[in-house]
Parts: sequence; C-alpha cells; structure tokens
Amino acid sequence: DVKVTQSSRYLVKRTGEKVFLECVQDMDHENMFWYRQDPGLGLRLIYFSYDVKMKEKGDIPEGYSVSREKKERFSLILESASTNQTSMYLCASSLWGTGFSAGNTIYFGEGSWLTVV
Amino acid sequence: AQSVAQPEDQVNVAEGNPLTVKCTYSVSGNPYLFWYVQYPNRGLQFLLKYITGDNLVKGSYGFEAEFNKSQTSFHLKKPSALVSDSALYFCAVREGGADSWGKLQFGAGTQVVVTP
Repeated sequence: DVKVTQSSRYLVKRTGEKVFLECVQDMDHENMFWYRQDPGLGLRLIYFSYDVKMKEKGDIPEGYSVSREKKERFSLILESASTNQTSMYLCASSLWGTGFSAGNTIYFGEGSWLTVV
Repeated sequence: AQSVAQPEDQVNVAEGNPLTVKCTYSVSGNPYLFWYVQYPNRGLQFLLKYITGDNLVKGSYGFEAEFNKSQTSFHLKKPSALVSDSALYFCAVREGGADSWGKLQFGAGTQVVVTP
C-alpha cells in the first residue's frame, strides 16, 4: 500500500514563527502536493512538485514556500505564521503522467492540524 | 479552467437505504474524475475514479459512480448505506491532456449522515 506520512499531526505555533510541515512517501512517486483544507472551501492546492528541486505554485501559494531535496520528502514552510494560516494541511503524492496517465491516483497523508495563535 | 460542484452540503439517509452524493464538473477537455472519503480527523481515502471506458465505475466499500457526459455529472452511489459510511465525501476532477501535470480540482465536500 502507498503510504504518505505527515510527521506532525497537531501543532500550535505563535504568530510570526517559522513553521515546517514534513511529508514523506514510500512509493517512489514523482509528484508531491500540499493542499490546505478549510470548511466549506474543500481542498485548495498550495504547491506542487514533479521532481527533486522542482516546484510549481498552486492556487494559494502566498505566505508559503516548499522544499524538495529528496524524491521521497516534500516540506511545506510558513516563513512567518499568521492566524489566517490556521488550517488542516494535507500532503499527497502520485506517479507522474500525461494523457491517460494523468489519471494516476493521488494518495493523501493523514493531515496536519496547525493552529496559529 | 476546470471546476467541480457538489450541490449538497449534507445528505441524510437511513441505514439500509440507497445513498447518492451528487457531483457535476466542468472541463474543456476529457475529464478524469475521482471520489474521496474523509473520516473525522483523518486524511482523504481514495474510493474510485473514472478515466475512460465503462461509464459505471465500481470502487471500495461497495461504492460506485456513474459518469454521464451529457449531464457532466459523476454521482456517487451505494445501494444500501451503513452507519459507518457517515463521513465527508469529496468529488475531484482533473483535465486530461499534455498540460495536465496532475492538478486536481476538488469540490467543497458533502457530509453524509447515516442514521440507524
């Protein structure tokens, strides 16, 4: 089975702190994603990476950055946390593909609940 | 631009009755459609997907979904709901083609409540 592991399930941080959310996948997937989930808004893509050191902005990248130094690991960074970044953050991964392979399933981690006070 | 709509915030159904969760989509090319389920305080679990072929797709836990191109819909169904099916369900769409590097567009989610 595919396993996407988010190391921190629950975090409480202060406004202005630098926050790291770590994600590791064990299926040698090329693609990795960070989503944010808020009630009534569904999931919104923050950043996406299709290879080591490669990244693409999603729908809501402001206030976030990412790092992918190894294929299996994708980190989300909040440079200066703010209260409006209180949310559930979901990491995901999938095989890369175009055409029919673009239908590759995306697998999600258990989520990280971040509260910024 | 691709988009997906789940018109119902919540669906209530009695255990043993049929369950339907609605989803409509909009893409300019061929759609790749997905259903995910989320239990409280958990991540999303993959249920099923439509890529091509038979319009009726069967997935995990007895769920199925029917792709209807003319109505641009991909409704999730289960013939007999269980209390354990109570969860948040997400529909998602990805547009096929060379530029579709993997971005999924999610609906807002539908809360399913199954009562004993």
